[in-house]
Order: sequence, then C-alpha cells, then structure tokens
Amino acid sequence: NAGVTQTPKFRVLKTGQSMTLLCAQDMNHEYMYWYRQDPGMGLRLIHYSVGEGTTAKGEVPDGYNVSRLKKQNFLLGLESAAPSQTSVYFCASSYLGKQPQHFGDGTRLSIL
Amino acid sequence: AQTVTQSQPEMSVQEAETVTLSCTYDTSESDYYLFWYKQPPSRQMILVIRQEAYKQQNATENRFSVNFQKAAKSFSLKISDSQLGDAAMYFCAYRSAWLSRVYFGTGTSLTVIP
Repeated sequence: NAGVTQTPKFRVLKTGQSMTLLCAQDMNHEYMYWYRQDPGMGLRLIHYSVGEGTTAKGEVPDGYNVSRLKKQNFLLGLESAAPSQTSVYFCASSYLGKQPQHFGDGTRLSIL
Repeated sequence: AQTVTQSQPEMSVQEAETVTLSCTYDTSESDYYLFWYKQPPSRQMILVIRQEAYKQQNATENRFSVNFQKAAKSFSLKISDSQLGDAAMYFCAYRSAWLSRVYFGTGTSLTVIP
C-alpha cells in the first residue's frame, strides 16, 4: 500500500518559474488537502477538495491553484513562484469524521 | 473559525520520565475529534492518538494518553516512560464531525535527554 505519494520530494526554483506538485492516494479517500509548513507556524491549509472536481480555499490560498480531475490525484500549482513560497508542502487525504488524515512525506521547495 | 493553541513551543524530558504537552482549542461545536500527530526529523506526520469528543473516557495508546477536558476545551498529551525515539515535533489537531477541514496548532518541539 503506497498511501499518499507526493512528487517531487525536493525542488529548487527561480523566482517567476512555475511548477506543479502532484499528490496521489490509493485509499479511495474523498477528501484531499494541501498544507504548507513553516517554522513556528505549524501546518497552514492552502487548498482542499471534498471530492472529484471540487476545490476550496484554505487559510493561505494566494499564489496557488489546485485541481482534482481524478479522485486519486490532487495537484498544487505555483504559476509564478516567489521566495515567500519557500516551504515544505504536505499533501493529506482522509474520509470524513473520526478517521485521521494520512500524510505524504512532504516536498521541500526552495525559491531563489 | 476554530483555533488550536499549543502554548509550549519547546519542552524537554529526561529519558524514562513523564512529560505532558498542552493543547487548547476554541469551538462552538459539540461533536468533533481531536488528534495528536508526531513529526520526527524524518518529516513524516504520524498519528499518535485520537479522541472523540462524545466519549468521556480519555484515549490511551501504550505509553501515550490524553487528558481531555471538554468543558475547559483542553486536550493534553501525556508521554510516560519517555524514550529517545519520542523526540519530535508534536502537533495537536481539531476536526469537526461534519466538516472536512482540520485545524492544527503550531506545534511543540520535544527533546528527550539521555
């Protein structure tokens, strides 16, 4: 069982470049989430999805876009990367209710 | 919006001793779930323990237990017989029973002293 898989694991970008982070889950979860983790700030929700074809904004959505064309995949896009987006990005998935979120291993993204 | 507060950015404990990490939350809901996650240096997010708000009994998982005080909106984590492998960042999280969002605290970094 792969669980939640994030690709890539590391990436360095230049300011203004674009890229897409991929999250894939094989647990048939309805809900998927993208977080960013910065020192002293915990996990902040960027965008989330409650099902295929749906997305919603979280706490810090500016500068990011997402898509959920297939139930198992949740893509996070940076159209024009900025140094403030340097962070560790986590994807998670879950059912509703008492079941916990399952996390990917994270993507460390540096914007120069 | 719900908020989760972890007021201890850093904690330390002697190996084999007991330590308690604090978490408080703010909500107007009556039905929800609370979680503690562990994040070791490997960066993985690992579920430690969870509590269902409608259950009065405190959850326990081996050396990990919680003190859930619903009226006080408090959810502390107790680690007994601390081990070196317990050294990690610990996050408290809140989830409504009816909504999909999960709210995290800012974390407590736990150091275990040999």
